[in-house]
Amino acid sequence: SAVISQKPSRDICQRGTSLTIQCQVDSQVTMMFWYRQQPGQSLTLIATANQGSEATYESGFVIDKFPISRPNLTFSTLTVSNMSPEDSSIYLCSVVKGGETQYFGPGTRLLVL
Amino acid sequence: GDSVTQMEGPVTLSEEAFLTINCTYTATGYPSLFWYVQYPGEGLQLLLKATKADDKGSNKGFEATYRKETTSFHLEKGSVQVSDSAVYFCALDNYGQNFVFGPGTRLSVLP
Repeated sequence: SAVISQKPSRDICQRGTSLTIQCQVDSQVTMMFWYRQQPGQSLTLIATANQGSEATYESGFVIDKFPISRPNLTFSTLTVSNMSPEDSSIYLCSVVKGGETQYFGPGTRLLVL
Repeated sequence: GDSVTQMEGPVTLSEEAFLTINCTYTATGYPSLFWYVQYPGEGLQLLLKATKADDKGSNKGFEATYRKETTSFHLEKGSVQVSDSAVYFCALDNYGQNFVFGPGTRLSVLP
């Protein structure tokens, strides 16, 4: 298994500002994933973060809006840029361990006013 | 593409009732199947998984059997508790290429 922590756990932000979310894993992993969960919805994959290369973004998500860093094998950040109320969501990071099982962090609850 | 369908919620049950949450999938090949649970205010936790046909995953009294003939992975529990109130997500992983979640089913258990 994997133990994952995220910071901050929640935040309230003003429109037009940016927030950087941190994700820390207790062991080295090749790929880390960032998801968005809008209120009452399922999870949507934003991007896959690989160490040493640019993140791979899913359709509908762009690097300018959601820049991602992956400086080492245990850490990643996701920035939500120029926020609007539509960005209010839970943001979760995850990793794959044991072949195919995904383990999730506790999530960051973001409210944009 | 691959997809996961779950029964619509919310599901409301009385304590000690029998629970079934239906999950069916569409995928090429032989994906691994998962159930995740999200308790109020928390992230997702792996509840159980099955990696091949006829496998049964089980944990905390919950069970699900990988049925390839019906492409299903229904979640069951014989006697639910108030503490089981959560959102349950069915998911599949197809050779690590993509992880697909269902829409989630909210379960409320009343004392």
